[in-house]
Amino acid sequence: KAGVTQTPRYLIKTRGQQVTLSCSPISGHRSVSWYQQTPGQGLQFLFEYFSETQRNKGNFPGRFSGRQFSNSRSEMNVSTLELGDSALYLCASSLRGGQTYNEQFFGPGTRLTVL
Amino acid sequence: KQEVTQIPAALSVPEGENLVLNCSFTDSAIYNLQWFRQDPGKGLTSLLLIQSSQREQTSGRLNASLDKSSGRSTLYIAASQPGDSATYLCAVRLGVYGQNFVFGPGTRLSVLP
Repeated sequence: KAGVTQTPRYLIKTRGQQVTLSCSPISGHRSVSWYQQTPGQGLQFLFEYFSETQRNKGNFPGRFSGRQFSNSRSEMNVSTLELGDSALYLCASSLRGGQTYNEQFFGPGTRLTVL
Repeated sequence: KQEVTQIPAALSVPEGENLVLNCSFTDSAIYNLQWFRQDPGKGLTSLLLIQSSQREQTSGRLNASLDKSSGRSTLYIAASQPGDSATYLCAVRLGVYGQNFVFGPGTRLSVLP
């Protein structure tokens, strides 16, 4: 069974630009969560999508947005990039609903560098 | 607000030693707790998941315990190997439909051959 895949793996952008990252969950998983990881702040929750609906949102500005498609694939978008947005963006998928254990499986991440 | 801490921040041990990594959380009302390892520049690999009703989970040389009332979890690694060198993170889930995982800062482990 294929794991969580994220594209692209590396990205370099300049301030003010916008970027879209993609995540394909494990087959059959319907929940996708996004996290930002930086040396200073560690791992921080961005948002979670389940069945194309945003279920939870972390404390990030509105420049960070996301969506989920009917096949459970998810994208996150960051507009008006700032230097502080440089980070490793991780996507995790889990099997949600009913008596599931909600174990999260992570992708390899997208390394975003903002110049 | 839930806060998760991990002690020690870094640990260096010779190969073959047994070791314990600690994770503490401030609010005992958790849904579950998960331990991960992260290799440099890579994503997270799930190691063990403990539901809030469980006391421990085991997988191979790894054993994780959970004491909700005291807000603590430990990850025990037996007979450590150089391949165990990585950063170990614990994360607590606050609810099925609440805020998602809250991660600790991690323990950076080096196992010396």
